Amino acid sequence: AAGVIQSPRHLIKEKRETATLKCYPIPRHDTVYWYQQGPGQDPQFLISFYEKMQSDKGSIPDRFSAQQFSDYHSELNMSSLELGDSALYFCASSPRGQMNTEAFFGQGTRLTVV
Amino acid sequence: GNSVTQMEGPVTLSEEAFLTINCTYTATGYPSLSWYVQYPGEGLQLLLKATKADDKGSNKGFEATYRKETTSFHLEKGSVQVSDSAVYFCALSPPLNFGNEKLTFGTGTRLTIIP
Repeated sequence: AAGVIQSPRHLIKEKRETATLKCYPIPRHDTVYWYQQGPGQDPQFLISFYEKMQSDKGSIPDRFSAQQFSDYHSELNMSSLELGDSALYFCASSPRGQMNTEAFFGQGTRLTVV
Repeated sequence: GNSVTQMEGPVTLSEEAFLTINCTYTATGYPSLSWYVQYPGEGLQLLLKATKADDKGSNKGFEATYRKETTSFHLEKGSVQVSDSAVYFCALSPPLNFGNEKLTFGTGTRLTIIP
């Protein structure tokens, strides 16, 4: 069965560089969520999209932006990277309103800022 | 706001031991509750879920019962295996309210099972 696909799996960037993370949801899932998980931390909600519109916003820095495209894939753009941005970034998708029962997470993108 | 308080780890048990990982929550209304498991280097996988009071979620020998009176959703397994070694996250999702159904996670409990 198709799962949530994230790319790249690993990314190494230098401070002040930019990074773009991509998420391809499960077919027919119209809602995408982004989470950030620091080392030894619980996942923190960043932002979500439904039908290409931002539906909720969490602790996402102003240096980050995201969007959902017409094919429902989503991209998280991160600029002026800082060492503290090093983390595992998860994307999850679900049908609308079913985050707790039908949500599937990708394997994550591990971002390392050096 | 919504929050999840989870038993701190790490937890180390011998194979075939009984497991309990405590989870309590704070939320308005009737949230949905779930447990996620994260194996080393992997993403989060939904282990089990319960959407209303007194519901019991179960999967792979794990169980958790939604207790509204104690606002708890403790994870249990009668006989753990080495392959159960992972990090376990308790999570809460608010009542169906379009645009606000994101998951709130607990801090995670690292479980190690020794042969």
